[in-house]
Amino acid sequence: GNSVTQMEGPVTLSEEAFLTINCTYTATGYPSLFWYVQYPGEGLQLLLKATKADDKGSNKGFEATYRKETTSFHLEKGSVQVSDSAVYFCALSEGAGGTSYGKLTFGQGTILTVHP
Amino acid sequence: GAVVSQHPSWVICKSGTSVKIECRSLDFQATTMFWYRQFPKQSLMLMATSNEGSKATYEQGVEKDKFLINHASLTLSTLTVTSAHPEDSSFYICSARDPGTRGEQFFGPGTRLTVL
Repeated sequence: GNSVTQMEGPVTLSEEAFLTINCTYTATGYPSLFWYVQYPGEGLQLLLKATKADDKGSNKGFEATYRKETTSFHLEKGSVQVSDSAVYFCALSEGAGGTSYGKLTFGQGTILTVHP
Repeated sequence: GAVVSQHPSWVICKSGTSVKIECRSLDFQATTMFWYRQFPKQSLMLMATSNEGSKATYEQGVEKDKFLINHASLTLSTLTVTSAHPEDSSFYICSARDPGTRGEQFFGPGTRLTVL
Protein backbone atom coordinates (compact mmCIF):
# COMPACT_ATOMS: atom_id res chain seq x y z
CA GLY A 1 0.00 0.00 0.00
CA ASN A 2 0.86 3.66 -0.13
CA SER A 3 2.86 5.25 2.65
CA VAL A 4 4.55 8.54 3.47
CA THR A 5 7.45 8.95 5.87
CA GLN A 6 8.54 12.38 6.96
CA MET A 7 11.19 13.69 9.22
CA GLU A 8 10.31 13.52 12.84
CA GLY A 9 10.15 16.70 14.79
CA PRO A 10 9.84 18.88 16.49
CA VAL A 11 12.08 21.21 14.55
CA THR A 12 13.15 24.42 16.25
CA LEU A 13 14.85 27.17 14.27
CA SER A 14 15.80 30.78 14.65
CA GLU A 15 14.24 33.33 12.36
CA GLU A 16 15.93 33.54 8.93
CA ALA A 17 17.39 30.04 9.24
CA PHE A 18 17.20 27.52 6.38
CA LEU A 19 14.52 24.87 6.65
CA THR A 20 14.44 21.34 5.29
CA ILE A 21 11.80 18.79 6.18
CA ASN A 22 12.43 15.43 4.55
CA CYS A 23 9.65 13.37 3.03
CA THR A 24 9.84 10.03 1.24
CA TYR A 25 7.04 7.95 -0.12
CA THR A 26 6.04 4.51 -1.31
CA ALA A 27 3.31 4.27 -3.90
CA THR A 28 2.13 2.37 -6.93
CA GLY A 29 1.90 4.18 -10.21
CA TYR A 30 2.43 7.90 -10.46
CA PRO A 31 1.10 9.70 -7.40
CA SER A 32 0.66 13.40 -6.89
CA LEU A 33 2.57 14.83 -3.93
CA PHE A 34 1.51 17.54 -1.53
CA TRP A 35 2.63 19.57 1.44
CA TYR A 36 -0.08 20.75 3.80
CA VAL A 37 0.33 23.19 6.68
CA GLN A 38 -1.75 23.34 9.85
CA TYR A 39 -1.47 26.56 11.83
CA PRO A 40 -2.47 26.48 15.50
CA GLY A 41 -6.22 26.20 15.87
CA GLU A 42 -6.85 26.00 12.13
CA GLY A 43 -7.56 23.36 9.52
CA LEU A 44 -5.08 22.00 7.01
CA GLN A 45 -4.20 24.23 4.10
CA LEU A 46 -2.54 23.16 0.90
CA LEU A 47 0.93 24.70 0.80
CA LEU A 48 2.19 23.33 -2.50
CA LYS A 49 1.92 20.35 -4.78
CA ALA A 50 3.57 18.53 -7.67
CA THR A 51 1.81 16.14 -9.99
CA LYS A 52 4.65 14.54 -11.94
CA ALA A 53 8.32 13.71 -11.69
CA ASP A 54 10.73 16.68 -11.68
CA ASP A 55 7.92 19.15 -11.04
CA LYS A 56 8.71 21.80 -8.46
CA GLY A 57 5.91 23.10 -6.29
CA SER A 58 6.38 26.48 -4.67
CA ASN A 59 4.40 28.89 -2.51
CA LYS A 60 5.16 31.54 0.12
CA GLY A 61 8.89 30.95 -0.22
CA PHE A 62 8.54 27.20 0.31
CA GLU A 63 9.45 24.77 -2.42
CA ALA A 64 9.66 21.03 -3.00
CA THR A 65 10.74 18.98 -6.01
CA TYR A 66 9.15 15.66 -6.99
CA ARG A 67 12.08 13.24 -7.21
CA LYS A 68 10.94 9.93 -8.62
CA GLU A 69 14.39 8.35 -8.54
CA THR A 70 14.69 8.86 -4.80
CA THR A 71 10.91 8.79 -4.12
CA SER A 72 11.25 12.03 -2.21
CA PHE A 73 9.52 15.39 -1.89
CA HIS A 74 11.56 17.37 0.62
CA LEU A 75 10.23 20.76 1.76
CA GLU A 76 12.65 23.69 1.84
CA LYS A 77 12.59 27.37 2.67
CA GLY A 78 15.60 29.63 2.55
CA SER A 79 14.66 31.95 5.40
CA VAL A 80 11.93 31.04 7.87
CA GLN A 81 9.82 33.49 9.81
CA VAL A 82 8.10 33.24 13.17
CA SER A 83 4.80 33.11 11.31
CA ASP A 84 5.89 29.84 9.68
CA SER A 85 5.51 28.05 13.00
CA ALA A 86 3.01 25.29 12.32
CA VAL A 87 2.66 21.57 11.67
CA TYR A 88 3.67 20.45 8.19
CA PHE A 89 2.28 17.31 6.56
CA CYS A 90 3.60 15.57 3.48
CA ALA A 91 0.95 13.61 1.58
CA LEU A 92 0.36 11.71 -1.61
CA SER A 93 -2.64 10.97 -3.75
CA GLU A 94 -2.65 8.00 -6.04
CA GLY A 95 -2.91 8.77 -9.72
CA ALA A 96 -5.91 8.23 -11.93
CA GLY A 97 -6.65 4.57 -12.56
CA GLY A 98 -5.42 3.45 -9.18
CA THR A 99 -7.80 1.85 -6.73
CA SER A 100 -7.18 4.61 -4.21
CA TYR A 101 -7.48 7.51 -6.65
CA GLY A 102 -8.07 10.78 -4.85
CA LYS A 103 -7.46 9.45 -1.36
CA LEU A 104 -4.74 11.25 0.55
CA THR A 105 -2.14 9.35 2.52
CA PHE A 106 -0.42 11.56 5.09
CA GLY A 107 2.94 11.48 6.78
CA GLN A 108 3.04 11.82 10.53
CA GLY A 109 3.53 15.56 10.54
CA THR A 110 6.46 17.72 11.61
CA ILE A 111 6.06 20.47 14.18
CA LEU A 112 8.07 23.56 13.28
CA THR A 113 8.74 26.28 15.83
CA VAL A 114 10.57 29.43 14.75
CA HIS A 115 11.98 31.72 17.42
CA PRO A 116 12.67 35.43 16.92
CA GLY B 1 -10.00 29.38 -2.20
CA ALA B 2 -12.87 27.08 -1.42
CA VAL B 3 -14.14 27.07 2.14
CA VAL B 4 -15.20 24.10 4.21
CA SER B 5 -16.81 24.55 7.61
CA GLN B 6 -17.35 22.13 10.46
CA HIS B 7 -19.78 22.34 13.32
CA PRO B 8 -19.34 22.20 16.19
CA SER B 9 -15.70 23.15 16.64
CA TRP B 10 -15.63 21.31 19.95
CA VAL B 11 -18.02 19.14 21.90
CA ILE B 12 -17.98 17.42 25.26
CA CYS B 13 -20.41 14.58 25.86
CA LYS B 14 -21.11 11.81 28.33
CA SER B 15 -20.19 8.23 27.62
CA GLY B 16 -22.99 6.39 25.84
CA THR B 17 -24.44 9.39 24.04
CA SER B 18 -24.27 10.10 20.32
CA VAL B 19 -22.68 13.14 18.74
CA LYS B 20 -23.24 14.54 15.25
CA ILE B 21 -20.59 16.55 13.42
CA GLU B 22 -21.45 18.52 10.30
CA CYS B 23 -19.18 19.29 7.38
CA ARG B 24 -20.26 21.85 4.81
CA SER B 25 -18.73 23.10 1.58
CA LEU B 26 -19.68 26.76 1.55
CA ASP B 27 -18.96 27.91 -1.99
CA PHE B 28 -18.79 24.78 -4.08
CA GLN B 29 -20.60 21.50 -4.54
CA ALA B 30 -18.73 18.47 -3.32
CA THR B 31 -19.77 15.06 -4.58
CA THR B 32 -17.07 13.54 -2.40
CA MET B 33 -16.12 14.34 1.15
CA PHE B 34 -13.64 12.59 3.41
CA TRP B 35 -13.59 12.10 7.17
CA TYR B 36 -10.31 11.87 9.06
CA ARG B 37 -9.34 11.29 12.64
CA GLN B 38 -6.24 12.88 14.12
CA PHE B 39 -4.72 11.69 17.37
CA PRO B 40 -2.48 14.01 19.40
CA LYS B 41 0.89 14.51 17.75
CA GLN B 42 -0.02 12.00 15.07
CA SER B 43 -1.04 12.07 11.48
CA LEU B 44 -4.48 12.13 9.96
CA MET B 45 -6.07 8.76 9.51
CA LEU B 46 -8.68 8.44 6.79
CA MET B 47 -11.85 6.95 8.24
CA ALA B 48 -14.20 6.97 5.31
CA THR B 49 -15.07 8.44 1.94
CA SER B 50 -18.50 9.99 1.72
CA ASN B 51 -20.20 10.14 -1.67
CA GLU B 52 -23.35 12.17 -2.19
CA GLY B 53 -26.38 10.00 -2.58
CA SER B 54 -24.68 6.71 -1.81
CA LYS B 55 -23.27 4.76 1.10
CA ALA B 56 -19.94 5.78 2.54
CA THR B 57 -16.88 3.67 1.95
CA TYR B 58 -15.10 2.89 5.19
CA GLU B 59 -11.41 2.19 5.63
CA GLN B 60 -10.30 -1.10 7.08
CA GLY B 61 -10.70 -1.23 10.83
CA VAL B 62 -13.28 1.58 11.05
CA GLU B 63 -16.61 0.48 12.50
CA LYS B 64 -19.34 1.67 10.17
CA ASP B 65 -22.06 1.10 12.76
CA LYS B 66 -20.23 3.31 15.23
CA PHE B 67 -19.29 6.09 12.85
CA LEU B 68 -22.39 6.79 10.78
CA ILE B 69 -21.84 8.96 7.73
CA ASN B 70 -24.58 10.63 5.73
CA HIS B 71 -23.97 12.73 2.62
CA ALA B 72 -27.48 13.87 1.85
CA SER B 73 -26.64 16.88 -0.31
CA LEU B 74 -23.82 18.24 -2.42
CA THR B 75 -22.78 20.62 0.35
CA LEU B 76 -23.31 18.65 3.53
CA SER B 77 -21.90 15.49 5.06
CA THR B 78 -22.46 14.43 8.66
CA LEU B 79 -20.53 12.09 10.92
CA THR B 80 -22.39 10.66 13.89
CA VAL B 81 -20.38 8.98 16.61
CA THR B 82 -22.85 6.58 18.19
CA SER B 83 -22.67 5.45 21.80
CA ALA B 84 -19.48 7.40 22.28
CA HIS B 85 -16.84 6.20 24.71
CA PRO B 86 -13.71 7.90 26.06
CA GLU B 87 -11.55 6.13 23.48
CA ASP B 88 -13.51 7.96 20.76
CA SER B 89 -12.15 11.25 22.04
CA SER B 90 -10.17 12.74 19.19
CA PHE B 91 -9.93 15.50 16.63
CA TYR B 92 -12.18 14.81 13.64
CA ILE B 93 -11.47 16.57 10.36
CA CYS B 94 -13.44 16.57 7.15
CA SER B 95 -12.39 17.54 3.67
CA ALA B 96 -14.36 18.17 0.53
CA ARG B 97 -13.21 17.60 -3.01
CA ASP B 98 -13.82 20.51 -5.34
CA PRO B 99 -14.31 19.23 -8.90
CA GLY B 100 -13.65 22.73 -10.18
CA THR B 101 -10.03 22.66 -9.03
CA ARG B 102 -9.03 19.30 -10.45
CA GLY B 103 -10.34 17.51 -7.43
CA GLU B 104 -8.28 19.36 -4.83
CA GLN B 105 -9.37 18.63 -1.29
CA PHE B 106 -10.22 21.50 1.03
CA PHE B 107 -10.18 20.86 4.75
CA GLY B 108 -12.48 21.93 7.52
CA PRO B 109 -11.06 23.36 10.76
CA GLY B 110 -11.79 20.18 12.68
CA THR B 111 -13.97 19.20 15.63
CA ARG B 112 -12.51 18.32 19.02
CA LEU B 113 -14.60 15.58 20.65
CA THR B 114 -14.13 14.79 24.32
CA VAL B 115 -16.11 11.92 25.81
CA LEU B 116 -16.29 11.86 29.58
